[in-house]
Amino acid sequence: EAGVTQSPTHLIKTRGQQATLRCSPISGHTSVYWYQQALGLGLQFLLWYDEGEERNRGNFPPRFSGRQFPNYSSELNVNALELEDSALYLCASSLEGPGGYEQYFGPGTRLTVT
Amino acid sequence: AQSVSQHNHHVILSEAASLELGCNYSYGGTVNLFWYVQYPGQHLQLLLKYFSGDPLVKGIKGFEAEFIKSKFSFNLRKPSVQWSDTAEYFCAVNPGSYIPTFGRGTSLIVHP
Repeated sequence: EAGVTQSPTHLIKTRGQQATLRCSPISGHTSVYWYQQALGLGLQFLLWYDEGEERNRGNFPPRFSGRQFPNYSSELNVNALELEDSALYLCASSLEGPGGYEQYFGPGTRLTVT
Repeated sequence: AQSVSQHNHHVILSEAASLELGCNYSYGGTVNLFWYVQYPGQHLQLLLKYFSGDPLVKGIKGFEAEFIKSKFSFNLRKPSVQWSDTAEYFCAVNPGSYIPTFGRGTSLIVHP
């Protein structure tokens, strides 16, 4: 069974540009989550999508947005990039909502903003 | 707001030493608890989880964790670590249907 996949692996952007990150969940999983993992800060929750709808978002500005497609894949968009957006962005999927099911994580996209 | 504290940010042990990583959370209601592990160069993966029942939970690779409700704790333990246990360990707490909150992680280095 294929795991969660993310692309690209690495992304280098300059301040003010936009970044688009992509995620494909495990087959059969309808929920997709996005996290930001900055050095020493653990995982900060960004967004949760389920059945094509945004269900919840973390404490991040509106320039962090995304969507979920009918095939349950998802993309994360970060507009007006700032230096502090440099981090590893992780995508995770689960069978249903976050209530009790564990999340399966992808390898992440390393975003570097210069 | 809910928070998760992992008290040990960096732990260095020799092989065969015992391990205990602390995890405390602030939420007062019913919670689901998880420990995830991230080995060097690999994805985050589930180590063990607690939903209900026996508060002593056993996971993969000889790890176990004990849920102590009165102390709001879910500490991870392993009686004898191996070099291959070198990794980053994350505790996560999920209050029912809400989004899980992760701790900042503990970096474990095991010397052979």
